[in-house]
Amino acid sequence: KQEVTQIPAALSVPEGENLVLNCSFTDSAIYNLQWFRQDPGKGLTSLLLIQSSQREQTSGRLNASLDKSSGRSTLYIAASQPGDSATYLCAVAGGADGLTFGKGTHLIIQP
Amino acid sequence: DADVTQTPRNRITKTGKRIMLECSQTKGHDRMYWYRQDPGLGLRLIYYSFDVKDINKGEISDGYSVSRQAQAKFSLSLESAIPNQTALYFCATSDWGGEQFFGPGTRLTVL
Repeated sequence: KQEVTQIPAALSVPEGENLVLNCSFTDSAIYNLQWFRQDPGKGLTSLLLIQSSQREQTSGRLNASLDKSSGRSTLYIAASQPGDSATYLCAVAGGADGLTFGKGTHLIIQP
Repeated sequence: DADVTQTPRNRITKTGKRIMLECSQTKGHDRMYWYRQDPGLGLRLIYYSFDVKDINKGEISDGYSVSRQAQAKFSLSLESAIPNQTALYFCATSDWGGEQFFGPGTRLTVL
């Protein structure tokens, strides 16, 4: 059974810092990996999708990498802003049968 | 208008009541999913559907049933609600093997 772990569970940094969120998964036979953002009491917003054949994806200040063989992904956030404060979720697709989620990293950016 | 909509957004019900949560999408995707989110447990897959004739159980389907009325509509039912079904419920859609898009969620409380 696939298991997804996110480290750290919580992170608080000053505004302007670059930061890295980590995600690991136990079964490397994934189809894709997706990073989401969730604001308190809200739905999930898709940030980046990395297909299994890809190594990284970029969107604005966000960069996600994937090392399928080692079962790891990182989400890099450059020049963090208070508006980046949210919970970030990593999820992997083993096939078409839905996503397996990590429990998230709760991020606070201090003004 | 939102691509994935869920109704109701909030619902309070009593133990033993039957309740239906509805999901509609305008993205034209064939695949639809229902997840629940619990504090400390993350998101878990309840049911998924590849098309109107294909319904599959997810990790935690006990106590739930679904109906795929059309390509765009996927409903989740709790036949006899119990308090441990109190959670945030999300519907999602995707095309084959692709990015999943989530609805805004339904907050369900079972008293």
